[in-house]
Amino acid sequence: EAEVAQSPRYKITEKSQAVAFWCDPISGHATLYWYRQILGQGPELLVQFQDESVVDDSQLPKDRFSAERLKGVDSTLKIQPAELGDSAMYLCASSLGLNVDEQFFGPGTRLTVL
Amino acid sequence: GENVEQHPSTLSVQEGDSAVIKCTYSDSASNYFPWYKQELGKRPQLIIDIRSNVGEKKDQRIAVTLNKTAKHFSLHITETQPEDSAVYFCAAYNNNDMRFGAGTRLTVKP
Repeated sequence: EAEVAQSPRYKITEKSQAVAFWCDPISGHATLYWYRQILGQGPELLVQFQDESVVDDSQLPKDRFSAERLKGVDSTLKIQPAELGDSAMYLCASSLGLNVDEQFFGPGTRLTVL
Repeated sequence: GENVEQHPSTLSVQEGDSAVIKCTYSDSASNYFPWYKQELGKRPQLIIDIRSNVGEKKDQRIAVTLNKTAKHFSLHITETQPEDSAVYFCAAYNNNDMRFGAGTRLTVKP
């Protein structure tokens, strides 16, 4: 069964360093989402792509976060510089298309900022 | 924008009993309501969903009900088993925007 892939699964970094997370959606899924999940809370959308275009990045802290999906397939989320408050699980999800609601989640990257 | 509230935050039941988790949403235009189960350290997995043109949906021991007028929907798990122990999230979807509840930690005691 096809799944969303993410790497790394765990990342420990010091504050002010740069980190990058990678996501490979299910093959054929045009829509890709990055979520942040703080411990004990539900996922919060950071950015949404339709193919290579950003559909919604209104919740992305653009002073330090960036995301790209250059070829409309896999995607990278970057944080520079990392802050202590960025410690969280970063989840990637994908869905077939922009108006298709069911989202499939990856295993996530757990980030710890020291 | 949409706001989803979920209750209770924690729920403990005896094996074999039923569990009910409730969510309310604010945007009447929301039209898709999934429920996800997330075990410790694992990805959220869709367990059941319901669309706004349906009032109830059942899949074996799991059912979801939707009251569009009151803007609330509920997850019902019957004959609970220890492997049902996890965090459950509800969500409401409208116009490419999915908002999640804060989650309910369900513990099923053997």
